[in-house]
Amino acid sequence: DAGVIQSPRHEVTEMGQEVTLRCKPISGHDYLFWYRQTMMRGLELLIYFNNNVPIDDSGMPEDRFSAKMPNASFSTLKIQPSEPRDSAVYFCASSFHPAHYGYTFGSGTRLTVV
Amino acid sequence: AQTVTQSQPEMSVQEAETVTLSCTYDTSESDYYLFWYKQPPSRQMILVIRQEAYKQQNATENRFSVNFQKAAKSFSLKISDSQLGDAAMYFCAYRSPTGANSKLTFGKGITLSVRP
Repeated sequence: DAGVIQSPRHEVTEMGQEVTLRCKPISGHDYLFWYRQTMMRGLELLIYFNNNVPIDDSGMPEDRFSAKMPNASFSTLKIQPSEPRDSAVYFCASSFHPAHYGYTFGSGTRLTVV
Repeated sequence: AQTVTQSQPEMSVQEAETVTLSCTYDTSESDYYLFWYKQPPSRQMILVIRQEAYKQQNATENRFSVNFQKAAKSFSLKISDSQLGDAAMYFCAYRSPTGANSKLTFGKGITLSVRP
């Protein structure tokens, strides 16, 4: 199994531009999570899906952020327009049910907004 | 809501020695799961060890073991025979068993350095 695949690994963009981060979960995992990691705030859960349906998006910081999961093998996190304070590492993770399996994380996308 | 606290931001250990990383959590649930994740400089999050709250026996994975004290809500990680490759950030995490709360709640993490 190739694990959770995220792309791109690095992204540098100018303020105001649209950014799309992509994730392919492990086949058969029915949960998908998007986290953001910064030095100041640590790991923050942005949104998670169960069987492609968004369950909890209370961590999405504002309307500039949106996430979709059109099918079981693909999810996107979009920021439009991007701002310098969005600079962070964004992780995607997937998991089986039930919960004792923990998560498998992707390698993350480092986003820099200049 | 569940919270996870790692009060030590940094720790250091001599190679081949033993180190213990502390973690406490707060919950009203009786059944749950606890995890330790390692994040080396490569930034990949790696699952180190897991503990099921209903099991009294402490989990062990090679050089890694936990001290799970359910009544005290404490979940510490012990690394024996520390190696240079153990240098990383370590996160403690909590997960509810089912339902809408089936997400990992992480502590702030602790940076472990290993002295040669």
